[in-house]
Amino acid sequence: EVQLVESGGGLVQPGGSLRLSCAASGFTFSSYNMIWVRQAPGKGLECISYISSDSSAIYYADSLKGRFTISRDNAKNSLYLQMNSLRDEDTAVYYCARCGSYAYFRHWGQGTPVTVSS
Amino acid sequence: DIQMTQSPSTLSASVGDRVTITCRASQSISSWLAWYQQKPGKAPKVLIYKASTLESGVPSRFSGSGSGTEFTLTISSLQPDDFTTYYCQQYNSYPWTFGQGTKVEIK
Repeated sequence: EVQLVESGGGLVQPGGSLRLSCAASGFTFSSYNMIWVRQAPGKGLECISYISSDSSAIYYADSLKGRFTISRDNAKNSLYLQMNSLRDEDTAVYYCARCGSYAYFRHWGQGTPVTVSS
Repeated sequence: DIQMTQSPSTLSASVGDRVTITCRASQSISSWLAWYQQKPGKAPKVLIYKASTLESGVPSRFSGSGSGTEFTLTISSLQPDDFTTYYCQQYNSYPWTFGQGTKVEIK
C-alpha cells in the first residue's frame, strides 16, 4: 500500500524557517516524480513545487519567489521542502503527492499544517 | 499559467438529484483534466482523470466529459456522502493548476 506521511509543520513567526518532510513507503520512491501542494485555510489547492525522480527537474510556483527549496533523498525514501522567510500568506496545510505517468495525483499524504503568525 | 474556472462555486441540491459542475480552462488542455473530491480535513481524492476516465473504485454515478477548454463533472444521483467540495485540475502544462472548487451542499 502506498503511504505518504508528512511531518515538520507547526507554528513559526514571520521571517522564520521550517523544513517539511514526506516519508514514502509501499512503492519504489526513486521511480516517481513528487510534488508539494498547499491549501490555505478555506481556500483551494496550489501546486507549489515539483521534483523529478532523479532530481534533474525542479519547478516552483512563482508565488514562492525563491524562498522554498524542494529536495529528495531516494536512499531514505524521503521528500523535503525547506521553507525560508515565511510570510503570513504561507499559512496552509502542506501535502506531498506522488505523480503518476501523468501529472494528476492518485496518492496524497495526510497533510501537515503550517501556521505563520507572531 | 493556465487558469481554471469552476462554476458554480456553491451548489445546493438534494439526495437523488443529478448535478453538473463545469470547469473552464483559459486555453486548450486537450483532455488533460482530473476531478477530485475533498472532504473537510482530508486530502483530495481523484475521481476522474483524462477528462472522462473513472478512477478505479469510484462509484459509477460520477462521470466526466469535455475536451479543449470546457469540461463537466456529473453526479447522476447524489448520495449523502457526496455533499462536499470538488476541484478540477489541469495537467496539460506546468504549473498544474486547480479550479477554485465547488461546494455541493444540502438544499
